[in-house]
Amino acid sequence: DVKVTQSSRYLVKRTGEKVFLECVQDMDHENMFWYRQDPGLGLRLIYFSYDVKMKEKGDIPEGYSVSREKKERFSLILESASTNQTSMYLCASSPLDNQPQHFGDGTRLSIL
Amino acid sequence: AQSVTQLGSHVSVSEGALVLLRCNYSSSVPPYLFWYVQYPNQGLQLLLKYTSAATLVKGINGFEAEFKKSETSFHLTKPSAHMSDAAEYFCAVRGPGRSQGNLIFGKGTKLSVKP
Repeated sequence: DVKVTQSSRYLVKRTGEKVFLECVQDMDHENMFWYRQDPGLGLRLIYFSYDVKMKEKGDIPEGYSVSREKKERFSLILESASTNQTSMYLCASSPLDNQPQHFGDGTRLSIL
Repeated sequence: AQSVTQLGSHVSVSEGALVLLRCNYSSSVPPYLFWYVQYPNQGLQLLLKYTSAATLVKGINGFEAEFKKSETSFHLTKPSAHMSDAAEYFCAVRGPGRSQGNLIFGKGTKLSVKP
């Protein structure tokens, strides 16, 4: 069965810290995605990657960066965390184009 | 440009009643459409997808959706609601860009089911 694993379900960090959110998929998918989810705003795409070492900005990339050194792992990095980055973060992966995305259970991140 | 509008941020039905969740899309290319469900404190789970085959698509848990090109709609229905259907539902359309794996999501509709 398809499995997308996010390293933490809940995370609390301080303003200014560098934060790493990790995501691993075991399905050999080409595409991987990072979203943030906020009440009333739905899911907004931060970054996505269609191949190892390849990345593209989504709708809200400011304040974030990503890393994809291996096909199965896609990391989201908050360079200097701020309180407005408190949110639920969802990772997803998909195989070839036009196929459904498979989601992890999310990381609820609080920045104090 | 692609976009998705879900009408109604909250819908409440009684157990056993019809569930109807509305989704209208805008797409400059032939649309690929998806419905996802999110239970509390979980990620999103695929309910069903439309990929230009049959216009009536059947999904999991008794849900189905009908693609209507003339109305640019992809509404989600279930004949009889169950308490376990209480969740948030998201409609999504294939997005633009190099990777056609991109999805553009609606803002979600939270479904409540009353006993």
